[in-house]
Order: sequence, then structure tokens, then C-alpha cells
Amino acid sequence: KNQVEQSPQSLIILEGKNCTLQCNYTVSPFSNLRWYKQDTGRGPVSLTIMTFSENTKSNGRYTATLDADTKQSSLHITASQLSDSASYICVVSRGVFDDMRFGAGTRLTVKP
Amino acid sequence: DTGVSQNPRHKITKRGQNVTFRCDPISEHNRLYWYRQTLGQGPEFLTYFQNEAQLEKSRLLSDRFSAERPKGSFSTLEIQRTEQGDSAMYLCASSFYRDYYTGELFFGEGSRLTVL
Repeated sequence: KNQVEQSPQSLIILEGKNCTLQCNYTVSPFSNLRWYKQDTGRGPVSLTIMTFSENTKSNGRYTATLDADTKQSSLHITASQLSDSASYICVVSRGVFDDMRFGAGTRLTVKP
Repeated sequence: DTGVSQNPRHKITKRGQNVTFRCDPISEHNRLYWYRQTLGQGPEFLTYFQNEAQLEKSRLLSDRFSAERPKGSFSTLEIQRTEQGDSAMYLCASSFYRDYYTGELFFGEGSRLTVL
């Protein structure tokens, strides 16, 4: 069905804590998976891009994992900061034509 | 500023009026995308261009919507006879595409449309 599902829909954590966001997809054939951060009222900003052969990719305190067999990805945020409060969107590209499918996002709130 | 630029950032219009949004992509990017995003949802694909050619249009893009990218540079998205359901954030993104792979997608800040 070429869907991208993200969980949880929203998450509240305390500053300094870690958290993990999930992305499950049924998109096929798979080309690549991207995570974006979107601040309220702003455009999304790329965090990571992973192809089929990559299992883990880090960008500072953000670490993305990919299991292409189970069609799951996670985004782990370490030592959260107030500025991490944003929506995190998973995007999966499908096949040769690089057709991108967006998840609905996880809304993360980091509280002091 | 060498990022993706969108104008206007905010537009309030009355139902039935026409509106036009402009997107200036990163100069060397050959692909340009338009998305629509409503509150609490991820971006929904509307259409995309490779250079000046419009390669795909979503079924979300009714006859009231038209997009152009003359000369493969900036793009415009026009909505005719706006309806309240058109109220959303309209996002533009650009990338460099080669060998069936889209490089990093850079988004603009979006144009927020409110139809009264």
C-alpha cells in the first residue's frame, strides 16, 4: 500500500532525557529513508538519509537506524534539549522513480 | 541567502479569489516539488518539476490548481477560486536529481494560506 506510519503521534519528555521515535513502512520497492525535523511554522530540515545498505546513521545527538527486512526505522535523540521540540517526519522513497512518501510525523515536546 | 525562498509567507484571502505563490529553488537544483501541509499532518505531494517539465501531478491537484516552472528556474503555484478547504501551508522543496536518486531535499519556509 506504500504507506509510512509513525509512532507515537506525540511525545513529551524532560530536558536531558533520551527518546526514540518509530517509523514503519510498507513502501516497496525501497530506495531510501529520510528523517526530517520541522519546527512549528517552518519548513522541514533534513536530519539523515539512509539507503538500503545502511543500518545506522548519526547526526550529532540524532541517530537513525534502519531495518530493511522488517521495514522499520527509528530516530533516537540523546540528551534532549528544549530546541529539539518539533515534529519529526519520516520519508520513504519508493523504487526507481524515487517517489517519496511522507509520514504524518511525531510531535516532540521537551520540557525543562 | 542560498536556500529555498518562498513568497509570500502568509496570505489571507476571501473565498473565490485567486492566489499565487512563488518559489525560488537553490540555483543548481534541477528538481522542484510542491507540497501541501495541514495542521498535524505530514506534507502531501502536489506536483514536481524536473527542470521546466512538470513530471507528475497528484490527484489532490484539482483543476483549480496550476503550477509552472518557466525556464527551469523559479516556480509558481496558482490556486483559482479558492475554497476554505485550501487553507494550508504550501511548501516548496528542491533537490539535485541524478541516476534515479534524489539528493538532499531542501524545503522553503512555506507559504501559509488562509481562506476566509
